[in-house]
Amino acid sequence: DSGVTQTPKHLITATGQRVTLRCSPRSGDLSVYWYQQSLDQGLQFLIQYYNGEERAKGNILERFSAQQFPDLHSELNLSSLELGDSALYFCASSGGDEDSNEQFFGPGTRLTVL
Amino acid sequence: AQTVTQSQPEMSVQEAETVTLSCTYDTSESDYYLFWYKQPPSRQMILVIRQEAYKQQNATENRFSVNFQKAAKSFSLKISDSQLGDAAMYFCAYRSIQGAQKLVFGQGTRLTINP
Repeated sequence: DSGVTQTPKHLITATGQRVTLRCSPRSGDLSVYWYQQSLDQGLQFLIQYYNGEERAKGNILERFSAQQFPDLHSELNLSSLELGDSALYFCASSGGDEDSNEQFFGPGTRLTVL
Repeated sequence: AQTVTQSQPEMSVQEAETVTLSCTYDTSESDYYLFWYKQPPSRQMILVIRQEAYKQQNATENRFSVNFQKAAKSFSLKISDSQLGDAAMYFCAYRSIQGAQKLVFGQGTRLTINP
């Protein structure tokens, strides 16, 4: 158990819909990262938050957005869903030290868009 | 931009034997971190081993060790005394020290352990 929790575990929805994925980092971790794992794109970095502020952006679509709340949990919002958005979405967290090099991954949320 | 390449989509090894998974990367940075992650059928991402680029000594964690060749930009993972529980996808990953702390992953190698 990494200490990172993600809800829900599975999500099945239809094209055009909007969903919210939730992540709680390890106790004390200030950084949260979101990654997408799909069959054709592999594991890709989406976005990072550090202590409530957006720190880095990767290949995140404009239809996707994220935020980190004062209690440090994070949410990834996916809207106008397409079939190609079906993937495993991981949240990871790392320590308060900006140089902390290890990221701890949650169990992921499996999103299926029908 | 940094890239990570794993040229072996699949590997197999007999139980108790040794196997080496390959990884190469491309970067213009001099300091960075490299990682191997394991993803078993449960899909959980598990850190296997990490290497700091400024350290010349190869990292070792029990049966897992790396061969880090900085000049060649190569970072292979050796698994000794392979066990059935080692069967998984293995991902090589790169992380900058400066700037964005995102992990850049290779495409993965699926490792099968034959009993």
